Amino acid sequence: DIEMTQSPSSLSASVGDRVTITCRASQSISVYLNWYQQKPGKAPNLLIYAATSLQGGVPSRFSGSGSETDFTLTISSLQPEDFATYYCQQSYRFPWTFGQGTKVEVK
Amino acid sequence: EPHLVESGGGLIQPGGSLRLSCAASGFTVRSNFMSWVRQAPGKGLEWVSLMYNDGRTHYADSVKGRFTISRDNSKNTVYLQMNSLRVQDTAFYYCARVDGAMVNWFDPWGQGTLVTVSS
Repeated sequence: DIEMTQSPSSLSASVGDRVTITCRASQSISVYLNWYQQKPGKAPNLLIYAATSLQGGVPSRFSGSGSETDFTLTISSLQPEDFATYYCQQSYRFPWTFGQGTKVEVK
Repeated sequence: EPHLVESGGGLIQPGGSLRLSCAASGFTVRSNFMSWVRQAPGKGLEWVSLMYNDGRTHYADSVKGRFTISRDNSKNTVYLQMNSLRVQDTAFYYCARVDGAMVNWFDPWGQGTLVTVSS
C-alpha cells in the first residue's frame, strides 16, 4: 500500500497567516494527489485535485503544488472559516489512501 | 447540482449485517464511478470500496469478502452490504462520486451515516 504522511499533524495559526501543510507519499504517485477540508461534524470537501487544480468554488487563497512524492497545500492568508482538518489522498494505486490529517487550530 | 444522501446506519451486534444506501440526484450513478469512505469517530479517513461505471469493483483488504458494493440504476442508488460486522467497522460511512478521467478524486460527498457495531 502507498502510505501518505502529512506534516505537521496539527498547527496553531492566526487569521491572516500563511499556512503550509506537506504530504509525502511512500512511492512516486505522479500528480495523483488530492486535498480535502473537513470541519467538525461535516463530510470532507474537495479543495485541490491532481496536485495543483483548484476545485470550482474554492477560494483562490488555497493552492497546491508538488509531484512524485512531495506535495504541499498552502493557504495564503488564513481566514476564520479555514480552521479545520485537512487531508491529502492518493488515487495512483489501489487501495486509495489518505494522510492522517492536519488540524489547523486558532492560535 | 450533484447531491448524495446516505441512510441505513445504526447499532448492530458483532457478526451482524447491515445495508447502507446512497441516493444520488443531479447525476446518474450508472454513468459514474462511485465509492464508500469511512471514518471511525475522532479518526482519519479510510477508503472502503469503489464501483466503476462498467460494474467492476475494488475493496480495501479490511473489508474484502465481507462488504459488497452494488447499485440500482432504476433508483439511482448505490448500496454497501456489510456482513460479518466487527467492532472495528464502527464508523461514519460516506458515499462519494468519483470524478476525473485520469486522476480520480471524491466529489461530492454525502453527509454520512453512522454505523455502530457493539454488543
